[in-house]
Amino acid sequence: DTAVSQTPKYLVTQMGNDKSIKCEQNLGHDTMYWYKQDSKKFLKIMFSYNNKELIINETVPNRFSPKSPDKAHLNLHINSLELGDSAVYFCASSQVRSGGREKLFFGSGTQLSVL
Amino acid sequence: GESVGLHLPTLSVQEGDNSIINCAYSNSASDYFIWYKQESGKGPQFIIDIRSNMDKRQGQRVTVLLNKTVKHLSLQIAATQPGDSAVYFCAENQAGTALIFGKGTTLSVSS
Repeated sequence: DTAVSQTPKYLVTQMGNDKSIKCEQNLGHDTMYWYKQDSKKFLKIMFSYNNKELIINETVPNRFSPKSPDKAHLNLHINSLELGDSAVYFCASSQVRSGGREKLFFGSGTQLSVL
Repeated sequence: GESVGLHLPTLSVQEGDNSIINCAYSNSASDYFIWYKQESGKGPQFIIDIRSNMDKRQGQRVTVLLNKTVKHLSLQIAATQPGDSAVYFCAENQAGTALIFGKGTTLSVSS
């Protein structure tokens, strides 16, 4: 069983569209994250949720809206997609509350291509 | 803000050699460090971690060294294998922040 699973694996869309990426973890962790990896492989934190509560929001545009219906799920909705949004988005989870010392478990990523 | 960086973007070694991947960090308040391995098309995978009250930790074929004096972290891989080819990231953490990643070193192992 995949510990952190995200769908879709690939997402190709036109500029201006709205899209969502879903993430689920079956590890029983309390904290989930979204990271963005750019073309140079740099990984940057976007959001962190702990028990459905937003903990970290790293100056991400308002077009990005995370939603956590329960602590096992953290979805990412993106409005009015722009070319610069093209990247690989990784979902992750950890057992320690965000702000502590944490080992993250990552999903396999969603490669978003905005045309 | 401060970030974790790496000395070299690429490292090429022969199968069987030992590999050393280096990382410099600038935030002296960081007290927890992790190494991740990312294979092509996959998410980062945890390799080994170390807390700031230690200077060395060993795993299976891997050793992490932490030098707080010069803010330096290294990952040593013994008897490197083709399956070790990947991008390696160091990451740091301190209370109140999420894990911050360095820029990655691409390790290429030739047989």
